[in-house]
Amino acid sequence: QSVLTQPPSASGTPGQRVTISCSGSRYDMGISHVYWYQQLPGTAPKLLMHTNDQRPSGVPDRFSGSKSGTSASLAISGLRSEDEADYYCAAWHDSLSGWVFGGGTKLTVL
Amino acid sequence: QVQLVQSGGEVKKPGASVKVSCKASGYTFTNYGITWVRQAPGQGLEWMGWISPYNGDTNYAQKFQGRVTMTTDTSTTTVSMEMRSLRSDDTAMYYCAREGNFFDGSGARGDAFDIWGQGTLITVSS
Repeated sequence: QSVLTQPPSASGTPGQRVTISCSGSRYDMGISHVYWYQQLPGTAPKLLMHTNDQRPSGVPDRFSGSKSGTSASLAISGLRSEDEADYYCAAWHDSLSGWVFGGGTKLTVL
Repeated sequence: QVQLVQSGGEVKKPGASVKVSCKASGYTFTNYGITWVRQAPGQGLEWMGWISPYNGDTNYAQKFQGRVTMTTDTSTTTVSMEMRSLRSDDTAMYYCAREGNFFDGSGARGDAFDIWGQGTLITVSS
C-alpha cells in the first residue's frame, strides 16, 4: 500500500491530453514539493518534473505539473506513442523522515 | 558525462547478505547525496535510504533500519548498500540515484533524484 495515491492506469490516443493525479496528506504533499518520474519499459526511472511544476532541461513542454494542497497532477498534451510508460509521483514525508512514492500509473497510448 | 554505474545482478539464498555498489562519475562526488530505491517485480518504487558522500551521514527508511547499511568511499567515488538477512520478498531491482538540488518558481529549494543508475537485480531464492 503506497503512501501517495495514484490511479493504476490511464490511457489516451495520439494527440490527446491526459492527466494523472496524485493524492497525499498534510504530512507529505501538504508541506513538500511534488516530483514526477517516468519509467519506460525495462529502464530506470527518469526525473520528469521537479518542485511541483518545473521541467528539467530536455523534458518537452508537452509535460506540465501542478499542485494544490495535498493533491497534484501531471498533464501530458499531444500524446505520443513514446509516452507509454509508468509514471510515479513522490514527496518528502515529514513524520516518516523519508521519501514516499505513489503506486504508479501505467499510461497506455491506444 | 554524469553517470552512476551499478554492480551486476546477484542470486542469493535466504538469510544471506548482499552488497551493491554504485560508482559515480562526471561530477563532484561529495556535493550530492545518493539515495537507494528498490522495485519488486511488477511493483512500484520504494525508498530505502540516503547517504551523504560528504560526511557519511545516513537516513534509512524505518522498514530497513538494522538490516541495511550504506557506505561511501570518496577515493573511488563509490557508494555501497549492504542488505543482510535476505528474504524472498527482497527480490527486486535496486537503484541508486543522485539527489540534485532544484528550485521552484519562487526560489524555494527542493531535492530530486536526477541521475539514476542502471539498476541491479537481486534475486533471493533457495
